[in-house]
Formats: sequence, C-alpha cells, structure tokens
Amino acid sequence: QKEVEQDPGPLSVPEGAIVSLNCTYSNSAFQYFMWYRQYSRKGPELLMYTYSSGNKEDGRFTAQVDKSSKYISLFIRDSQPSDSATYLCAMSGNAGGTSYGKLTFGQGTILTVHP
Amino acid sequence: GAGVSQTPSNKVTEKGKYVELRCDPISGHTALYWYRQSLGQGPEFLIYFQGTGAADDSGLPNDRFFAVRPEGSVSTLKIQRTERGDSAVYLCASSLTSDSHEQFFGPGTRLTVL
Repeated sequence: QKEVEQDPGPLSVPEGAIVSLNCTYSNSAFQYFMWYRQYSRKGPELLMYTYSSGNKEDGRFTAQVDKSSKYISLFIRDSQPSDSATYLCAMSGNAGGTSYGKLTFGQGTILTVHP
Repeated sequence: GAGVSQTPSNKVTEKGKYVELRCDPISGHTALYWYRQSLGQGPEFLIYFQGTGAADDSGLPNDRFFAVRPEGSVSTLKIQRTERGDSAVYLCASSLTSDSHEQFFGPGTRLTVL
C-alpha cells in the first residue's frame, strides 16, 4: 500500500462548479501538507500548503487537513477552464523540529473544467 | 527571474547506455531535489542536496543512479546501463533552504530508453 493515496479520476465538471479533491495517508510523521498543480508537460507548481490540522483559504482555493483521520482536501470554488490540470497532493515529515524537504506525492487527480 | 531549468528537455537512448541529466536551480537556492515521474503517477523522490552534499539519497532505486552537485549550484543526475524501466520524466526542484515549504520545479527531462 502506498503512503499517500489519491483518486486519479479523471474528474470532469462544468465551469462554476465546486471541486473537491482528496488524499488519504498512512504515515503519522507527516506534518506538512501541500497541493501542487501540474499542467501537461510542465513541472508541478505549489498552490497551497498547510501545517498540521486545520483550514487555509487562498482566493478560490481552500485546503483542509484532518490529521486524526489522515485525510486532506482541496476545494476549488467557481472553477474555471484554466483550472484544468492534474492536482497532486504532497506531504513531508518533521525531523528534529525542522521541516523535511523530501516530499511524498499522491498519484494526482486529472481535472477538466468544461466551459 | 529565471526559474529552474533542465537540459535536455528530451533524451532518447538505447538500453545499456549512459545518460546525464542536468539541472540549473534558481540562483541562491541552497536545496536541490530530484524526482522521477512515471506516466500517470505522482513524482517519486530520488535524492536531495543541501549545498554540495547529498542530505538524503534514500530514493535512488539502485547503484546505477548517481547525482552530484559539486559547487552547490548545478546538479547532474547520472544513470549507468540504462534499462527500459528507467523511462520517465525526471524532475528537478529547488528551494531557498531545505526548511522552505515551497519547492520550485523545472519542466523536467523526458527520458526514453529503447
């Protein structure tokens, strides 16, 4: 079983819909949780990160972390065709009180937003 | 400013050959990371450098893979005796330090082993 599980989709929604993307994980050492967006033939780019449990909002994006359930989510409000991409969750552990650079990624969810 | 650059963008080689993949990080970034991404999968960690030294090479799959960063800037990932299973996109990322939460990724090198 992989440390991080993510439904690969694909997910297809109409423009303006609310999108929910999720990941589960098994490693209790993970403390930092990130969401990356990857367009075709490009490198991933960071959308949001959160530390430990809680919510974080940035414009149309909201990230949620529930460490007790080992479950993280990304919500996209008012989705746009330009949001069409692969969304990757990523996590890192906390070693010696400092964040640890090694990221463990989920498989990625392919999202298509139709005009 | 310039982002992370990787060369070549595409590399086709034959089974058994040696390849080198180059990464130029963002200027001033002390941490550099290599990941491998197979089709339909998320990136998989290979190795990361803090400065010139490899801080964690636990993701290198076997001794055919080796990476260097001799001056703490440019890094080269070296693969000996390539196998068809090595075919993937090799991504490089850099961050200001290894404590930084944001890793900036390059576009990747698409390696195809025939």
